[in-house]
Amino acid sequence: DSGVTQTPKHLITATGQRVTLRCSPRSGDLSVYWYQQSLDQGLQFLIQYYNGEERAKGNILERFSAQQFPDLHSELNLSSLELGDSALYFCASSVSGTGPGYTFGSGTRLTVV
Amino acid sequence: DQQVKQNSPSLSVQEGRISILNCDYTNSMFDYFLWYKKYPAEGPTFLISISSIKDKNEDGRFTVFLNKSAKHLSLHIVPSQPGDSAVYFCAARHEPGGTSYGKLTFGQGTILTVHP
Repeated sequence: DSGVTQTPKHLITATGQRVTLRCSPRSGDLSVYWYQQSLDQGLQFLIQYYNGEERAKGNILERFSAQQFPDLHSELNLSSLELGDSALYFCASSVSGTGPGYTFGSGTRLTVV
Repeated sequence: DQQVKQNSPSLSVQEGRISILNCDYTNSMFDYFLWYKKYPAEGPTFLISISSIKDKNEDGRFTVFLNKSAKHLSLHIVPSQPGDSAVYFCAARHEPGGTSYGKLTFGQGTILTVHP
């Protein structure tokens, strides 16, 4: 157990729907990162939050949004889902937000049918 | 724009021999390089890192080498064990500051298989 908790582990939904992925960082970690891993792809950075504020943004689609709450957990919202959004979504956390490394959760596997 | 590349999708080695995983990068604004290991159905696990001001870092069976002039790093595993079989990701950290504040950019991964 890495200490980073992601729920749900698996999610199957239809195209056009909206889902919310949840992440609880390790105790004491202020920074949360979201990554997407599609089939045969590396980990693509989506977005970073530090202590409730957006810190950095990657190639995150406009249909996707995220936030970090006062208790430091984070949610990634994916809307108007398309087949191509099927992927593993990982959350990671670190103490200061400057790493160098993160601790990853075990991921949420999203399947859009 | 693939700033971090792992050109070998897979590598197969015999138990007890050396495994060498390679990674190339294009951005000079990385200040740390990291290797992560990933088993199926699990998240990536941090393995070892190296600062851009160093050329070698060693931790037990794992050694990372950095060649800044060639923009190349490698991970050596000696001796390799069957339990090392996993996907290995190379990652590079963007220098804090600016819009890429501390984020990690990952390579595509290399599947390492260690045969008994």
